[in-house]
Amino acid sequence: QVQVVQSGAEMKKPGASVRVSCQASGYNFTSYTTHWVRQAPGQTFEWMGWINAGDGHTKYSQKFQDRLTITSDTSASTAYMELSRLRSDDTAVYYCGRGYSGSNPKIDLWGQGALVTVS
Amino acid sequence: QSVLTQPPSVSGTPGQTVTISCLGSNSNIRKSYVYWYQVLPGMAPKLLIYTNNQRPSGVPDRFSGSKSVTSAYLAIRGLRSEDEADYYCAAWDDSLSGRVVFGGGTRLTVL
Repeated sequence: QVQVVQSGAEMKKPGASVRVSCQASGYNFTSYTTHWVRQAPGQTFEWMGWINAGDGHTKYSQKFQDRLTITSDTSASTAYMELSRLRSDDTAVYYCGRGYSGSNPKIDLWGQGALVTVS
Repeated sequence: QSVLTQPPSVSGTPGQTVTISCLGSNSNIRKSYVYWYQVLPGMAPKLLIYTNNQRPSGVPDRFSGSKSVTSAYLAIRGLRSEDEADYYCAAWDDSLSGRVVFGGGTRLTVL
């Protein structure tokens, strides 16, 4: 079954870091990018960045450049998003999704989302 | 304030056609393909339209997308109750070193 499954909800204190995982199955993980997108309560979606698991190349939104790290473990078909120096306004549902290389907003397979609460 | 502007809400009755607009600028829609996502209550987003007007497998042809200069449109023909959801447009934006930008979302209510 083609899917991406994310790790569970997290509760963190301000200043801490959070790591969310995203495990792919049913397709060749290294042939696609993995995007990270978040949605704060009552807000629209906010793109954070992507990783090309094939070559490890990353692209980050300038907004998160200094505290976001996206990595991947190709042996486990898993991507990771780590956000540091958390603030209360980082409270959101964090999604990963399968994407395509280049400047391409196409995300055709989404994870179930992981709620991160900063309080 | 979202980079792409959508109406907060639209509504229609079963069988009608509704259109959702997505207004952008020279740094995004003019240069980029537009994508549309559907978010059903309590669910993850689903890709509805890609590269302006293409439907992924399984998306009914009642859904169609179009683009004109700096605007894009999602039309839903033959409205059904199960279409009640939030709809978001997205595009690549050249500003701020490049990023994906989303519209603010439009809540579709089927009356």
